[in-house]
Amino acid sequence: GAGVSQSPSNKVTEKGKDVELRCDPISGHTALYWYRQSLGQGLEFLIYFQGNSAPDKSGLPSDRFSAERTGGSVSTLTIQRTQQEDSAVYLCASSLNKGVDEQYFGPGTRLTVT
Amino acid sequence: GENVEQHPSTLSVQEGDSAVIKCTYSDSASNYFPWYKQELGKRPQLIIDIRSNVGEKKDQRIAVTLNKTAKHFSLHITETQPEDSAVYFCAAKGGSNYKLTFGKGTLLTVNP
Repeated sequence: GAGVSQSPSNKVTEKGKDVELRCDPISGHTALYWYRQSLGQGLEFLIYFQGNSAPDKSGLPSDRFSAERTGGSVSTLTIQRTQQEDSAVYLCASSLNKGVDEQYFGPGTRLTVT
Repeated sequence: GENVEQHPSTLSVQEGDSAVIKCTYSDSASNYFPWYKQELGKRPQLIIDIRSNVGEKKDQRIAVTLNKTAKHFSLHITETQPEDSAVYFCAAKGGSNYKLTFGKGTLLTVNP
């Protein structure tokens, strides 16, 4: 079946602009995760959704970052007033539910803030 | 919170040799340890995982070992091939039971 998809694959934006990144999880997966991967670094947890609820937003780096999930499926990560340090690859993953360990990743969105 | 250290950061081997990557974790409640392979510009792919009730798991040329007492786990790749070249990440899932904490990755290069 179809894997996790993300759009856009690449986004170049000017400092100060807002951006929206989209994640479409594997059909039927109720748990959804956002991670950030900076150059040469591991993956940094941002936020987790179970259904439409986000029990843990502790990984969001600042209040410029927000995320929502509607219909228990698609999720959007929004970054307001982007800064150059926001440049990274933003990866989304999904798992069948919270109790299932395996997480499957999307291809990521490469964000470049100029 | 959980902290995962991964070594080495780069590893170069000759085709046919074995490669070993090691990770340590800090949260004794962690119970799930996956390994991901990420080729350049691609998504991380889950290649093998181990749970805390198991000491070793093998899948063809790949094996993972876990030492819960010492809080470390390792990835072993035997008979390496050029297509094994990639960045490998270890991760641990702790008591929170949902998020993965990743190591910083190991760039493995297999020279033909």
